[in-house]
Amino acid sequence: QVQLVESGGGVVQPGRSLRLSCAASGFTFSNYGVHLVRQAPGKGLEWVAVIWYDGSELHYADSVKGRFTISKDNSKSTVYVQMDSLRGEDTAVYYCARDRGSGSRFLDFWGQGTLVTVSS
Amino acid sequence: EIVLTQSPATLSLSPGERATLSCRASQSVSSYLVWYQQKPGQAPRLLIHDASTRATGIPARFSGSGSGTDFTLTISSLEPEDFAIYYCQQRGSWPSSFGQGTKLEIK
Repeated sequence: QVQLVESGGGVVQPGRSLRLSCAASGFTFSNYGVHLVRQAPGKGLEWVAVIWYDGSELHYADSVKGRFTISKDNSKSTVYVQMDSLRGEDTAVYYCARDRGSGSRFLDFWGQGTLVTVSS
Repeated sequence: EIVLTQSPATLSLSPGERATLSCRASQSVSSYLVWYQQKPGQAPRLLIHDASTRATGIPARFSGSGSGTDFTLTISSLEPEDFAIYYCQQRGSWPSSFGQGTKLEIK
C-alpha cells in the first residue's frame, strides 16, 4: 500500500535550519511528483512546494521561496526539504503528499506529518 | 497568486441533511479544483479532483460541480462521519493554493 512517512521535525531556534525527509513506499516513486503542505496549529492548510517526478521542475510558495529547497532522490524513494532561515511563522505540521501525476495534478496520498516548532 | 475563498466558514447541519459548500477563486482555474476532507488529528483525504470526479472509494453522496471561478461541494445526505473540515485547492497555476476551509459541524 502507498505510504509516505515524514521525519526530521523538532524544535529549532529562529534563524536556524532543519531538514525534513519524506520516505515513500508501495509505489514506483520515480513516476510521481511530491508536494509539501503545512498546517500551523489550529489553522488551515498551506501549500508550500512541489517537485516533479524527475526533479526537473520545482515550485514554491512565496512565503518560503529562497529559504526552502525541495529535492528528490529516486534511488532512495525519498524527498528532502532543506529549511533555512526559519521563522516563527514556519511553525506547523508539515505533510508530504504524492501527486497523482508528474507534479501538476492532485494530492492523492498523504503522510501523517511531522511537527516543526520554531522558537527560542 | 490565486486566492480561494470558501463559504460559509462554519456550517451547522444535522445527519441526513444536505450540505452545500462553496469555493470561489480570484481568477479562473478552469476545472483544476480539488476538494479534501480533514478530521481532527488526521491528514487530509482526497475527495474530488478536477472539480467533479470522485476519488477512489469516495461515496456517491459526495459530488462536486463548477468551473472557472465558482465551485460547489455537495453532500447529499450527511452521515455522522462526514462532520469534518473541508478544503478546496487549485492547481490551475503556480503557486498552488488552498481555501481557508469550511467546518461542517453537527447541529
